[in-house]
Amino acid sequence: SQQGEEDPQALSIQEGENATMNCSYKTSINNLQWYRQNSGRGLVHLILIRSNEREKHSGRLRVTLDTSKKSSSLLITASRAADTASYFCPLMKTSYDKVIFGPGTSLSVIP
Amino acid sequence: DAGVIQSPRHEVTEMGQEVTLRCKPISGHNSLFWYRQTMMRGLELLIYFNNNVPIDDSGMPEDRFSAKMPNASFSTLKIQPSEPRDSAVYFCASSWGGNEQFFGPGTRLTVL
Repeated sequence: SQQGEEDPQALSIQEGENATMNCSYKTSINNLQWYRQNSGRGLVHLILIRSNEREKHSGRLRVTLDTSKKSSSLLITASRAADTASYFCPLMKTSYDKVIFGPGTSLSVIP
Repeated sequence: DAGVIQSPRHEVTEMGQEVTLRCKPISGHNSLFWYRQTMMRGLELLIYFNNNVPIDDSGMPEDRFSAKMPNASFSTLKIQPSEPRDSAVYFCASSWGGNEQFFGPGTRLTVL
Protein backbone atom coordinates (compact mmCIF):
# COMPACT_ATOMS: atom_id res chain seq x y z
CA SER A 1 0.00 0.00 0.00
CA GLN A 2 1.25 3.47 -0.79
CA GLN A 3 -0.59 5.20 1.98
CA GLY A 4 0.26 5.86 5.58
CA GLU A 5 -1.93 4.16 8.14
CA GLU A 6 -2.72 6.24 11.18
CA ASP A 7 -3.10 4.75 14.63
CA PRO A 8 -5.13 4.92 16.79
CA GLN A 9 -8.30 5.55 14.80
CA ALA A 10 -9.65 7.68 17.63
CA LEU A 11 -8.07 9.34 20.64
CA SER A 12 -9.69 11.29 23.45
CA ILE A 13 -7.67 13.28 25.99
CA GLN A 14 -8.08 16.08 28.49
CA GLU A 15 -6.99 19.59 27.65
CA GLY A 16 -3.39 20.13 28.69
CA GLU A 17 -2.37 16.52 28.14
CA ASN A 18 -0.06 15.38 25.36
CA ALA A 19 -1.42 13.52 22.35
CA THR A 20 0.59 11.01 20.37
CA MET A 21 -0.46 9.62 17.02
CA ASN A 22 1.41 7.08 14.96
CA CYS A 23 1.75 6.38 11.28
CA SER A 24 3.02 3.22 9.63
CA TYR A 25 3.78 2.54 6.00
CA LYS A 26 5.17 -0.19 3.80
CA THR A 27 7.12 1.42 0.97
CA SER A 28 10.27 3.50 0.75
CA ILE A 29 9.51 7.20 0.91
CA ASN A 30 10.84 10.56 -0.15
CA ASN A 31 8.91 12.39 2.53
CA LEU A 32 6.04 12.02 4.95
CA GLN A 33 3.62 14.78 5.82
CA TRP A 34 1.15 15.43 8.58
CA TYR A 35 -2.11 17.27 7.97
CA ARG A 36 -4.95 18.35 10.22
CA GLN A 37 -8.60 18.64 9.29
CA ASN A 38 -11.05 20.39 11.55
CA SER A 39 -14.65 19.30 11.16
CA GLY A 40 -16.17 20.60 7.96
CA ARG A 41 -13.00 22.33 6.84
CA GLY A 42 -10.21 21.74 4.36
CA LEU A 43 -6.96 20.10 5.32
CA VAL A 44 -4.11 22.14 6.73
CA HIS A 45 -0.48 21.12 6.33
CA LEU A 46 1.38 20.76 9.62
CA ILE A 47 4.84 19.35 8.99
CA LEU A 48 6.82 17.67 6.21
CA ILE A 49 9.67 15.40 7.22
CA ARG A 50 12.08 14.02 4.63
CA SER A 51 13.47 10.51 4.62
CA ASN A 52 16.91 11.70 5.76
CA GLU A 53 15.47 13.52 8.77
CA ARG A 54 14.69 11.94 12.12
CA GLU A 55 12.86 14.67 13.98
CA LYS A 56 11.22 18.03 13.34
CA HIS A 57 9.52 20.54 15.57
CA SER A 58 6.95 23.22 14.92
CA GLY A 59 5.55 25.02 17.92
CA ARG A 60 3.78 22.43 20.07
CA LEU A 61 4.21 19.76 17.41
CA ARG A 62 7.01 17.21 17.30
CA VAL A 63 7.31 14.69 14.49
CA THR A 64 9.69 11.75 14.42
CA LEU A 65 10.52 9.43 11.56
CA ASP A 66 12.08 5.99 11.78
CA THR A 67 12.68 4.69 8.27
CA SER A 68 14.00 1.38 9.54
CA LYS A 69 10.67 0.70 11.21
CA LYS A 70 8.72 2.52 8.52
CA SER A 71 6.91 4.57 11.09
CA SER A 72 6.36 8.15 12.16
CA SER A 73 4.78 9.77 15.18
CA LEU A 74 3.15 13.12 15.80
CA LEU A 75 3.25 14.51 19.33
CA ILE A 76 1.07 17.46 20.29
CA THR A 77 2.11 18.86 23.64
CA ALA A 78 -0.16 20.77 26.02
CA SER A 79 -3.22 20.04 23.91
CA ARG A 80 -6.01 22.55 23.49
CA ALA A 81 -9.66 22.16 22.59
CA ALA A 82 -8.82 23.72 19.21
CA ASP A 83 -6.58 20.72 18.46
CA THR A 84 -9.73 18.61 18.14
CA ALA A 85 -9.52 17.41 14.54
CA SER A 86 -8.60 14.51 12.32
CA TYR A 87 -4.91 14.01 11.59
CA PHE A 88 -3.52 12.37 8.47
CA CYS A 89 -0.03 11.20 7.43
CA PRO A 90 0.18 10.92 3.64
CA LEU A 91 3.54 9.98 2.21
CA MET A 92 5.33 10.48 -1.07
CA LYS A 93 7.64 7.96 -2.70
CA THR A 94 9.13 10.55 -5.02
CA SER A 95 8.97 14.31 -5.26
CA TYR A 96 6.20 14.21 -7.84
CA ASP A 97 4.35 11.18 -6.56
CA LYS A 98 0.66 11.33 -5.87
CA VAL A 99 -0.35 11.70 -2.26
CA ILE A 100 -2.78 9.19 -0.82
CA PHE A 101 -4.52 9.82 2.46
CA GLY A 102 -5.36 7.12 4.98
CA PRO A 103 -8.35 7.08 7.31
CA GLY A 104 -6.71 9.40 9.82
CA THR A 105 -6.75 9.66 13.60
CA SER A 106 -9.70 11.47 15.12
CA LEU A 107 -8.48 13.45 18.14
CA SER A 108 -10.89 14.86 20.70
CA VAL A 109 -9.51 17.24 23.30
CA ILE A 110 -11.94 17.67 26.16
CA PRO A 111 -11.92 21.07 27.88
CA ASP B 1 -2.26 35.23 -1.84
CA ALA B 2 -5.88 34.25 -1.29
CA GLY B 3 -5.08 30.56 -1.18
CA VAL B 4 -6.79 27.91 -3.24
CA ILE B 5 -10.20 29.12 -4.35
CA GLN B 6 -13.05 26.76 -5.04
CA SER B 7 -16.52 27.48 -6.35
CA PRO B 8 -19.26 26.98 -5.65
CA ARG B 9 -18.98 26.28 -1.92
CA HIS B 10 -22.29 24.42 -1.92
CA GLU B 11 -24.14 22.80 -4.78
CA VAL B 12 -27.48 21.07 -4.64
CA THR B 13 -28.68 19.46 -7.83
CA GLU B 14 -30.99 16.76 -9.05
CA MET B 15 -29.94 13.39 -10.33
CA GLY B 16 -29.06 13.48 -13.99
CA GLN B 17 -27.92 17.08 -14.03
CA GLU B 18 -24.44 18.19 -15.00
CA VAL B 19 -22.27 19.57 -12.23
CA THR B 20 -19.13 21.63 -12.72
CA LEU B 21 -16.78 22.36 -9.87
CA ARG B 22 -14.10 25.01 -10.26
CA CYS B 23 -10.69 25.54 -8.74
CA LYS B 24 -8.11 28.30 -8.87
CA PRO B 25 -4.77 27.11 -7.49
CA ILE B 26 -2.22 29.26 -5.75
CA SER B 27 -0.24 31.31 -8.22
CA GLY B 28 3.10 29.69 -9.00
CA HIS B 29 2.10 26.18 -7.98
CA ASN B 30 2.65 23.54 -10.64
CA SER B 31 0.62 20.63 -9.28
CA LEU B 32 -3.12 20.46 -8.75
CA PHE B 33 -5.12 17.72 -7.08
CA TRP B 34 -8.83 16.88 -6.92
CA TYR B 35 -10.06 14.88 -3.92
CA ARG B 36 -13.45 13.58 -2.83
CA GLN B 37 -14.33 13.02 0.83
CA THR B 38 -17.18 10.98 2.24
CA MET B 39 -17.77 9.39 5.60
CA MET B 40 -17.73 5.94 4.08
CA ARG B 41 -14.67 6.21 1.87
CA GLY B 42 -12.62 8.94 3.51
CA LEU B 43 -10.46 11.21 1.39
CA GLU B 44 -9.91 9.86 -2.11
CA LEU B 45 -7.55 11.26 -4.72
CA LEU B 46 -9.46 11.54 -8.00
CA ILE B 47 -6.90 13.04 -10.35
CA TYR B 48 -3.80 15.19 -10.28
CA PHE B 49 -2.12 17.47 -12.78
CA ASN B 50 1.48 18.53 -13.09
CA ASN B 51 2.20 21.58 -15.26
CA ASN B 52 -1.43 21.42 -16.49
CA VAL B 53 -1.04 17.84 -17.72
CA PRO B 54 -3.09 15.03 -16.14
CA ILE B 55 -0.59 12.64 -14.59
CA ASP B 56 -2.80 10.11 -12.85
CA ASP B 57 -6.56 9.82 -13.20
CA SER B 58 -6.84 6.29 -11.84
CA GLY B 59 -8.97 7.58 -8.98
CA MET B 60 -11.68 8.95 -11.23
CA PRO B 61 -14.62 6.66 -10.43
CA GLU B 62 -16.36 6.50 -13.79
CA ASP B 63 -16.60 8.03 -17.22
CA ARG B 64 -19.18 10.37 -15.79
CA PHE B 65 -16.31 12.23 -14.17
CA SER B 66 -13.94 14.40 -16.16
CA ALA B 67 -11.36 17.02 -15.23
CA LYS B 68 -9.55 19.66 -17.20
CA MET B 69 -6.83 22.17 -16.57
CA PRO B 70 -6.73 24.54 -19.54
CA ASN B 71 -4.12 26.77 -17.92
CA ALA B 72 -2.04 27.11 -14.80
CA SER B 73 -4.67 29.14 -12.96
CA PHE B 74 -7.86 27.17 -13.51
CA SER B 75 -9.21 23.65 -13.31
CA THR B 76 -12.66 22.10 -13.51
CA LEU B 77 -14.13 18.82 -12.35
CA LYS B 78 -17.29 17.87 -14.19
CA ILE B 79 -19.84 15.19 -13.37
CA GLN B 80 -22.29 14.33 -16.09
CA PRO B 81 -24.81 12.92 -15.36
CA SER B 82 -24.72 13.27 -11.59
CA GLU B 83 -26.04 10.57 -9.26
CA PRO B 84 -26.96 10.63 -5.54
CA ARG B 85 -23.86 8.58 -4.70
CA ASP B 86 -21.73 11.43 -5.98
CA SER B 87 -22.77 13.48 -2.97
CA ALA B 88 -19.60 14.38 -1.11
CA VAL B 89 -17.22 17.20 -0.34
CA TYR B 90 -14.84 17.81 -3.22
CA PHE B 91 -11.49 19.39 -2.42
CA CYS B 92 -8.96 20.96 -4.71
CA ALA B 93 -5.35 21.32 -3.60
CA SER B 94 -2.21 22.74 -5.16
CA SER B 95 1.48 22.43 -4.48
CA TRP B 96 4.88 23.26 -5.89
CA GLY B 97 7.69 20.83 -6.40
CA GLY B 98 6.19 17.93 -4.51
CA ASN B 99 6.01 19.83 -1.29
CA GLU B 100 3.10 20.56 1.02
CA GLN B 101 -0.33 20.74 -0.49
CA PHE B 102 -2.57 23.70 0.13
CA PHE B 103 -6.22 22.77 0.22
CA GLY B 104 -9.22 24.83 -0.77
CA PRO B 105 -12.30 25.08 1.44
CA GLY B 106 -14.11 22.41 -0.56
CA THR B 107 -17.38 22.20 -2.44
CA ARG B 108 -20.18 20.35 -0.69
CA LEU B 109 -22.18 18.59 -3.39
CA THR B 110 -25.63 17.15 -2.75
CA VAL B 111 -27.32 15.22 -5.53
CA LEU B 112 -30.97 14.58 -4.85
